Amino acid sequence: QKEVEQNSGPLSVPEGAIASLNCTYSDRGSQSFFWYRQYSGKSPELIMFIYSNGDKEDGRFTAQLNKASQYVSLLIRDSQPSDSATYLCAVKATNAGGTSYGKLTFGQGTILTVHP
Amino acid sequence: NAGVTQTPKFQVLKTGQSMTLQCAQDMNHNSMYWYRQDPGMGLRLIYYSASEGTTDKGEVPNGYNVSRLNKREFSLRLESAAPSQTSVYFCASSVRRGQGASNSPLHFGNGTRLTVT
Repeated sequence: QKEVEQNSGPLSVPEGAIASLNCTYSDRGSQSFFWYRQYSGKSPELIMFIYSNGDKEDGRFTAQLNKASQYVSLLIRDSQPSDSATYLCAVKATNAGGTSYGKLTFGQGTILTVHP
Repeated sequence: NAGVTQTPKFQVLKTGQSMTLQCAQDMNHNSMYWYRQDPGMGLRLIYYSASEGTTDKGEVPNGYNVSRLNKREFSLRLESAAPSQTSVYFCASSVRRGQGASNSPLHFGNGTRLTVT
């Protein structure tokens, strides 16, 4: 089992719809969770991070975390063609001493296509 | 403010050749990382440096070496390139946080596209 798993897609949604991207992780001790967006041929860029159970909203983006079920999701409301990209879920490992060094484990990414 | 700068952007090597990928950051970050990205595999950590003077292996270190030259610079060396090392390589940096801190996003460079024939 991979440490961080995502459905590779592609996920295709019409413009204006809600896109729902999901991610599961295996390390129950994980503390911080990130969503990165990567346009084709470009480097990943951070969209959101979340570390508390529940929802976190930022504009059209909402991250949802459920530590008991070990999943994190990203909702994109009013999807636009410019949202078409690969979305990477990343989970930050915490060593036994509890100190975070920022080392992330990434899922394989979900390709999102928003069609007009 | 350049952020994370990688050189070169593109490189073609023949099997057995060596090369060094350069990375520098100007954000005063303590931690630096090298990832490779392959289709369907996501980003995989090769090596990282939690702070100046330290380096550690990541998920896929075989065939690579690294040097944390100073706080700004972290290089990745391929001593004898193999076709399996054909990939896109990303350098990244983050602020090292002590115990009790929570989030430390990665800042990525623009990547190096390496082909080994």
